[in-house]
Amino acid sequence: GAVVSQHPSRVICKSGTSVKIECRSLDFQATTMFWYRQFPKKSLMLMATSNEGSKATYEQGVEKDKFLINHASLTLSTLTVTSAHPEDSSFYICSARTEAYGYTFGSGTRLTVV
Amino acid sequence: AQTVTQSQPEMSVQEAETVTLSCTYDTSESDYYLFWYKQPPSRQMILVIRQEAYKQQNATENRFSVNFQKAAKSFSLKISDSQLGDAAMYFCAYRSRAGGGADGLTFGKGTHLIIQP
Repeated sequence: GAVVSQHPSRVICKSGTSVKIECRSLDFQATTMFWYRQFPKKSLMLMATSNEGSKATYEQGVEKDKFLINHASLTLSTLTVTSAHPEDSSFYICSARTEAYGYTFGSGTRLTVV
Repeated sequence: AQTVTQSQPEMSVQEAETVTLSCTYDTSESDYYLFWYKQPPSRQMILVIRQEAYKQQNATENRFSVNFQKAAKSFSLKISDSQLGDAAMYFCAYRSRAGGGADGLTFGKGTHLIIQP
């Protein structure tokens, strides 16, 4: 089946620094990937839709300058949290959609900003 | 905008018993998909079952089945013969069909399912 690899699984960074999260489709091409954020014991909230070769589409209320998304190839999408602050601490999950397998999710990244 | 509501923050069931998780949604669209996802402590999202709105027949996957009531905008999940491995957070999700696959999922807040041995 379709596998989405997400790295790192866990990262701790200092306030003010930037953190990059990678999401790779291992055995299929993903023209569209989705980035979600999940607060503790909360639902997943769609942040943005990442399209290969074009600008990402951000959901209302999501700062595009804070959460930079790059989808430079059909197998890689990255989310960079810029100038991270403690309130950015969260669980971030990527997902890709295929016709055959529907939505496939990465294993998530726990970001802690100290 | 679509919304998904799961009114049960937590449910508990005895092993081998049957449990039903409820989900309602609000949409003005007539064509869409509904999903149930399981999120165990590992946080990996696992698809449990999917329903296409234009299909009247309720989807079934082994011990998992849904009761899809389109007019009532209800989409409940029934788990039969509950097993310890079913313990997890369960999320109901909605996706419009109009976006041609470019739309992400709208999730409910989740139900924490506890299996009592």
